[in-house]
Amino acid sequence: DQQVKQNSPSLSVQEGRISILNCDYTNSMFDYFLWYKKYPAEGPTFLISISSIKDKNEDGRFTVFLNKSAKHLSLHIVPSQPGDSAVYFCAASRDGGTSYGKLTFGQGTILTVHP
Amino acid sequence: EPEVTQTPSHQVTQMGQEVILRCVPISNHLYFYWYRQILGQKVEFLVSFYNNEISEKSEIFDDQFSVERPDGSNFTLKIRSTKLEDSAMYFCASSGWIYEQYFGPGTRLTVT
Repeated sequence: DQQVKQNSPSLSVQEGRISILNCDYTNSMFDYFLWYKKYPAEGPTFLISISSIKDKNEDGRFTVFLNKSAKHLSLHIVPSQPGDSAVYFCAASRDGGTSYGKLTFGQGTILTVHP
Repeated sequence: EPEVTQTPSHQVTQMGQEVILRCVPISNHLYFYWYRQILGQKVEFLVSFYNNEISEKSEIFDDQFSVERPDGSNFTLKIRSTKLEDSAMYFCASSGWIYEQYFGPGTRLTVT
């Protein structure tokens, strides 16, 4: 299932700089997108989401951008902190009328923030 | 802050045995889910549950799998006859509305 793809397996960033994580999707029926962070031996932690009717959503240091025409979204973390080091998953969901919230996940990107 | 809990954290079982994985969703949530992640692979959807019935299931969720909400607080996943390929991390999730799901810490299932 390649409907959601995160093409960068890893990203390394200096503390204080911007981290940009990317995600592409192929299914035009997806209308809600989420980012999760995951530490080893823990479950995914919800970070931020965006509806397809928006192109940007911001929450503190985290901003998600959605480009529907390109079927692309990105997560910006500014400024990056060492505690942000984790695996980041992009996930997508279809319209609630036909799907009860099933999330389709990307493969994840390992973010390492160096002090 | 309310959280989803799962027990046990690690379950080891022999092939062909039945296992029950348990979850306590966030108390005012209405939608419940199971996902799994085989080592090195993506997190995969198994099943969603709403209003005391399965609302959607994946092709992975065959007759060997079942879910139940026995008492209004627990949500369980049963695998009737485990196979080696069922070895994975199993995550329970819940949501108050459809989209933003909150995950538990997972149960690592090892089938030998």
